[in-house]
Amino acid sequence: AQSVTQLGSHVSVSEGALVLLRCNYSSSVPPYLFWYVQYPNQGLQLLLKYTTGATLVKGINGFEAEFKKSETSFHLTKPSAHMSDAAEYFCAVSDGQGAQKLVFGQGTRLTINP
Amino acid sequence: DAGITQSPRHKVTETGTPVTLRCHQTENHRYMYWYRQDPGHGLRLIHYSYGVKDTDKGEVSDGYSVSRSKTEDFLLTLESATSSQTSVYFCASSPNSGSGNTIYFGEGSWLTVV
Repeated sequence: AQSVTQLGSHVSVSEGALVLLRCNYSSSVPPYLFWYVQYPNQGLQLLLKYTTGATLVKGINGFEAEFKKSETSFHLTKPSAHMSDAAEYFCAVSDGQGAQKLVFGQGTRLTINP
Repeated sequence: DAGITQSPRHKVTETGTPVTLRCHQTENHRYMYWYRQDPGHGLRLIHYSYGVKDTDKGEVSDGYSVSRSKTEDFLLTLESATSSQTSVYFCASSPNSGSGNTIYFGEGSWLTVV
């Protein structure tokens, strides 16, 4: 079975500071990894995904994530936080087989302080 | 973004009544999904469909049924609503299987069972 753990249900950073959201996964097969963002009262929007190939993945809005197999991690980073980044972020894993049955972490709410 | 619309967007219902949530997608995607979102749990898969009349259970399927009579429509039914089914329900779709294809989400349906 696959699982995802997001470390920290709430993260607060100052505008302009580094954003780091942590995600660790468990998977018995090569994982496909995703980060989604959810703004208040909206659906989920894909930020980035890792399937195969390059382990450093760049996404939208200046975010990137690095797949580290040895650490079973897929942490999300952004060099300089913007007020518009305030949202909830979800890490998810799938086995990439058949239907894409995503297993989500519990989410991390990111707050940006002015 | 995939054209996914959910209805109703908000509903309050009484315990013991049946409720049907509707999902409509305009992208001719093969796969469709229903997730529920609860604080501290992220999103959990209820049911999914891999084609017309082809459905299967997800992680939290008890008390729910689904139907897919057309490619574009996926219905979620709560056979006899309970307070534990108060949640935000998200429909999602993806074009085909495997290889980390992106899953696109609708805007959500807020259901309150009183």
